[in-house]
Amino acid sequence: DVKVTQSSRYLVKRTGEKVFLECVQDMDHENMFWYRQDPGLGLRLIYFSYDVKMKEKGDIPEGYSVSREKKERFSLILESASTNQTSMYLCASSSLSGTATSYNEQFFGPGTRLTVL
Amino acid sequence: QKEVEQDPGPLSVPEGAIVSLNCTYSNSAFQYFMWYRQYSRKGPELLMYTYSSGNKEDGRFTAQVDKSSKYISLFIRDSQPSDSATYLCAMSETDKLIFGTGTRLQVFP
Repeated sequence: DVKVTQSSRYLVKRTGEKVFLECVQDMDHENMFWYRQDPGLGLRLIYFSYDVKMKEKGDIPEGYSVSREKKERFSLILESASTNQTSMYLCASSSLSGTATSYNEQFFGPGTRLTVL
Repeated sequence: QKEVEQDPGPLSVPEGAIVSLNCTYSNSAFQYFMWYRQYSRKGPELLMYTYSSGNKEDGRFTAQVDKSSKYISLFIRDSQPSDSATYLCAMSETDKLIFGTGTRLQVFP
């Protein structure tokens, strides 16, 4: 059974703290993604990675960085947490693209609800 | 204008009703069209996907894509209380997904 796990379900941090969100997948997937989910805005892509040590900016990378030292692990870092980063953070993974007509499903973790006070 | 528009609802229907969920989009390059279901306090999970235009059926669920109108739909027949969730449309031309905001569905007994 495929599995994406995230280190915490709920997290409360103070403004200015450095925050690490960890994601691990056990499916040997090449692609990994970090999203945030906010009411009325849906899921928005923060960063993604196609391979170890590779990263690409998504639609809202400001205030975030990522690290992928091992294939199965993708970390999201908030260098200096701010209240507008209070959100649900979702990690996902998928295999490399297959044929032109097939979609490689993104498998999501359960999410981390981060509150920044 | 957002690339993908989805009515947030909430949509409340009685058990057994036919449910219609819809999204519109603006990027004609999208080739893959997905519907994800998200239960409360869980991550989204893929329900169905369609490549390019056409219909796809899976049990009580039917996905339709009309690329000429840039409009996709998900139909749920004989809706059940267990279908109560948020339904997210998503679309892409590559591995990068663009999501709608999600429609919250409540099916009451």
